[in-house]
Amino acid sequence: KQEVTQIPAALSVPEGENLVLNCSFTDSAIYNLQWFRQDPGKGLTSLLLIQSSQREQTSGRLNASLDKSSGRSTLYIAASQPGDSATYLCAVNVPDNFNKFYFGSGTKLNVKP
Amino acid sequence: KAGVTQTPRYLIKTRGQQVTLSCSPISGHRSVSWYQQTPGQGLQFLFEYFSETQRNKGNFPGRFSGRQFSNSRSEMNVSTLELGDSALYLCASSLSLATNEQYFGPGTRLTVT
Repeated sequence: KQEVTQIPAALSVPEGENLVLNCSFTDSAIYNLQWFRQDPGKGLTSLLLIQSSQREQTSGRLNASLDKSSGRSTLYIAASQPGDSATYLCAVNVPDNFNKFYFGSGTKLNVKP
Repeated sequence: KAGVTQTPRYLIKTRGQQVTLSCSPISGHRSVSWYQQTPGQGLQFLFEYFSETQRNKGNFPGRFSGRQFSNSRSEMNVSTLELGDSALYLCASSLSLATNEQYFGPGTRLTVT
């Protein structure tokens, strides 16, 4: 069974700092890896989708990388802002059902002004 | 293009009752997945529907069921509610291609008293 782990569980940084969030998964046979953001009490907002054949994706200040062989992904946030404060979740889908995602427990990020 | 919508947004029920939640996917999306999110278990996959057929089901008791209509709208039903069913229920839609992103709705917050 696919298991997804995110480290650290919580992170507090001063505004302007660059930071890295980590995600690891146990089974390298994935279709996609998707990073999401969740604000308190709200739904999930898709940030980046990396297909299994890709190594990284970028969107604005966000860069996500994928190393399937080692079962790892990182989300890099440049020049963090207080508005980046949220919980960040990574999820992977599996060959037998690519619309079934396995989620990590998330990293709760607090960016201090 | 309108996003994924879920109704109702908040619901309070008592133990033993049943509840029906609704999800309208993004126009053109044919796959709808349901997830339960709790502080202790995180996000867990419930089931996925495509073209009115359930394609996959998570490890939840039979009290949890769902269906999809010809317009791709989906409902999930929970019968004989238990306190542990209190959670945020999220639905996600996708085009149902292996490389496509999941888009989540805002969720329905269910409280069982």
